[in-house]
Amino acid sequence: GDSVTQMEGPVTLSEEAFLTINCTYTATGYPSLFWYVQYPGEGLQLLLKATKADDKGSNKGFEATYRKETTSFHLEKGSVQVSDSAVYFCALSDSRGGSNYKLTFGKGTLLTVNP
Amino acid sequence: DAGVIQSPRHEVTEMGQEVTLRCKPISGHDYLFWYRQTMMRGLELLIYFNNNVPIDDSGMPEDRFSAKMPNASFSTLKIQPSEPRDSAVYFCASSWGETQYFGPGTRLLVL
Repeated sequence: GDSVTQMEGPVTLSEEAFLTINCTYTATGYPSLFWYVQYPGEGLQLLLKATKADDKGSNKGFEATYRKETTSFHLEKGSVQVSDSAVYFCALSDSRGGSNYKLTFGKGTLLTVNP
Repeated sequence: DAGVIQSPRHEVTEMGQEVTLRCKPISGHDYLFWYRQTMMRGLELLIYFNNNVPIDDSGMPEDRFSAKMPNASFSTLKIQPSEPRDSAVYFCASSWGETQYFGPGTRLLVL
């Protein structure tokens, strides 16, 4: 079945440091890929997504590129801020052109950014 | 748009009591998902609906859990009887297409 593996963390960085959170996936079809973010005490919210190979999703300074050859979707940000402290989830949706929009999530990576 | 609405936001109950969690999805969305989040098990999909019909309830932990969606604007997740191990944050999410929109969650504590 489909699965998502992401680095477990926790990840602790200083403000303005470079961030990478690794994510790899296994899917039998051609999935769409997502990064969700969960701030303390809140629900998950979509950060960015990519729907086909070589697409780059971007939002709020975060980027991730859909790499079919390496089955990866690593999250990057050039300069993190304290306000980026949150849990980040990688996910995939393998709807296969049909109507199954169930998401498969990774376990989440806790990021703490210190001033 | 109000987003996904969940109630209550916090619930404290005693073991053996019935608990009902409520969710109002975003208008026009045809999928609704119930998740449970704990430190030990992470984020788990319990059940999801399409056009008010349950599609996959394989994540429901046991018969004490039940979920209904009587119409397009309302769903409930019921636990009867509740147990301390049910303590978790329960999220509802809705979607039209692949992107899911999550509610703020209900934090449940069973004593």
